[in-house]
Amino acid sequence: DSGVTQTPKHLITATGQRVTLRCSPRSGDLSVYWYQQSLDQGLQFLIQYYNGEERAKGNILERFSAQQFPDLHSELNLSSLELGDSALYFCASSEGQGLVNEQFFGPGTRLTVL
Amino acid sequence: AQSVTQLDSHVSVSEGTPVLLRCNYSSSYSPSLFWYVQHPNKGLQLLLKYTSAATLVKGINGFEAEFKKSETSFHLTKPSAHMSDAAEYFCVVSPFSGNTPLVFGKGTRLSVIA
Repeated sequence: DSGVTQTPKHLITATGQRVTLRCSPRSGDLSVYWYQQSLDQGLQFLIQYYNGEERAKGNILERFSAQQFPDLHSELNLSSLELGDSALYFCASSEGQGLVNEQFFGPGTRLTVL
Repeated sequence: AQSVTQLDSHVSVSEGTPVLLRCNYSSSYSPSLFWYVQHPNKGLQLLLKYTSAATLVKGINGFEAEFKKSETSFHLTKPSAHMSDAAEYFCVVSPFSGNTPLVFGKGTRLSVIA
């Protein structure tokens, strides 16, 4: 158990809808990262927050947004969902903001868009 | 730009025989390199990391990897495979400087045959 929690575990929704994925980092970790894992694209970095501020941005679509709250939990919002958004979404956390720090991954949220 | 190539999408070994998972990287900077493992329906777990100290890095569960700058390789090895090693393995690169996100390889699925 990495200490990172993600909810929900599974999410099934329809095209055009909006969903929110939630992540609680390990106790004491200030950085939160979001990743998307799909069969065709592999594991892709989406975005990083450090202590409430956006630190790095990857291949995140404009329909997606994220934030990190004062209690350090983070939410990833996905809107106008398309079939291609079906994937596993992982959250990870680390102590510092540097990307060479070990990242601890949550169990993921499996999103299915029908 | 950073990139990482995992040379085999699937490796199959017999229990008790050596494991070799191959990874080549490309980086403009002195890179940090990682191997992560993902068991079915689980998040990723760090196996080991190289951050410009010793070129032979020992990780958890008997795995080790050797950084070879001249060959731009970071292959993962284990002397004797165990059934519990069956999983997906990801080679990951990050530049030593800057704040560029981690770049993941496509993964190598390791099967262990009894």
